[in-house]
Amino acid sequence: ETGVTQTPRHLVMGMTNKKSLKCEQHLGHNAMYWYKQSAKKPLELMFVYNFKEQTENNSVPSRFSPECPNSSHLFLHLHTLQPEDSALYLCASSPHRDRGHWGTEAFFGQGTRLTVV
Amino acid sequence: QKEVEQNSGPLSVPEGAIASLNCTYSDRGSQSFFWYRQYSGKSPELIMSIYSNGDKEDGRFTAQLNKASQYVSLLIRDSQPSDSATYLCAVTPGAGGTSYGKLTFGQGTILTVHP
Repeated sequence: ETGVTQTPRHLVMGMTNKKSLKCEQHLGHNAMYWYKQSAKKPLELMFVYNFKEQTENNSVPSRFSPECPNSSHLFLHLHTLQPEDSALYLCASSPHRDRGHWGTEAFFGQGTRLTVV
Repeated sequence: QKEVEQNSGPLSVPEGAIASLNCTYSDRGSQSFFWYRQYSGKSPELIMSIYSNGDKEDGRFTAQLNKASQYVSLLIRDSQPSDSATYLCAVTPGAGGTSYGKLTFGQGTILTVHP
């Protein structure tokens, strides 16, 4: 248990459905992330939130819509997805660091295995 | 061009041997380097972090960093079957902008430790 909890663990949805993925972290971190892991591909960063503000959108299609109501919760709203969006979606969090200390480790949740049919 | 490269393997070693995993990166300004272990069907688990040139040891694990060669490695001594997993190398970008946890991952190396 890493302190980052994702729900649901598995999700099957049709291309016309709307669903949401939820992430909650209990580590007191100020930064949260969504990553996508597809078969045979490296983990891809999707979105970054620092202190609830979105600081990175890594050219993600608009059918993925993130929401960060506070530093402990992160959502990924899904609509009109494509079969190629089927993947493991991972939420992560990391503590705030001073600007003089670049980069810090990220702790991952267990992921949501998404299948689009 | 890949930003973080790893040999995808699989790398097979006998129990008790040393497993050596390698990673190269393209961003010369990269600041922080991490090794994650991912068991099949599970999420990545942080096992080592290294920030400066040289070696860093933690139990059976040793991370080595050479920024001049843009190379980072992970050695696993006395390998156990439970070490069988995919090992992911991750790098944070150079200075400039917000880089907290903004990791670029390699494709991962599959390690198999056989009894």
